[in-house]
Amino acid sequence: AQKITQTQPGMFVQEKEAVTLDCTYDTSDPSYGLFWYKQPSSGEMIFLIYQGSYDQQNATEGRYSLNFQKARKSANLVISASQLGDSAMYFCAMRERAGNMLTFGGGTRLMVKP
Amino acid sequence: NAGVMQNPRHLVRRRGQEARLRCSPMKGHSHVYWYRQLPEEGLKFMVYLQKENIIDESGMPKERFSAEFPKEGPSILRIQQVVRGDSAAYFCASSPGQATNEKLFFGSGTQLSVL
Repeated sequence: AQKITQTQPGMFVQEKEAVTLDCTYDTSDPSYGLFWYKQPSSGEMIFLIYQGSYDQQNATEGRYSLNFQKARKSANLVISASQLGDSAMYFCAMRERAGNMLTFGGGTRLMVKP
Repeated sequence: NAGVMQNPRHLVRRRGQEARLRCSPMKGHSHVYWYRQLPEEGLKFMVYLQKENIIDESGMPKERFSAEFPKEGPSILRIQQVVRGDSAAYFCASSPGQATNEKLFFGSGTQLSVL
């Protein structure tokens, strides 16, 4: 079974608007962490934001925020005031306490229109 | 403070040759991970190593693939007798620990092309 599901293969957003990238996960481990990474066309993986399963508040990092709904097992990434440089692949990932690695979703390609 | 260093950036091999991919983790990081990425897909876990030990190789193909992280020197991912299906981007990542909040720091990847 997929542990991390990203249902949007591609998304368009108008520059300066906000966009939400969806991520749902599946785990029976009560302790886990959720991560978002950005991969621009150059290929490197850039860490964006982290949310712990016990965190009471949604994580925020600049223009990035994480809409964490634990009961629904979703961890959507919200990018506010989109910029052209935000065009990239975005990956959601999870790390379970009992596991040894980050497990990645299939990614969402975001394209920002001028 | 150098990040995770991978080399080579691009590697071309003919079918049947060997490919060696190198990864130097960030200073102070003793946990190394290797991932493989096919075009337009997510990263697939291959192997997790600590110094001189393979901790989890559940994502490694049973044949032709091996990994090491010696006491001195970089981590090496070795692919013997490469086939066209091995063509992919191979990413190395490192972290200082294994807690659930430990993010992975990634290298720029090695793009392997098998002719």
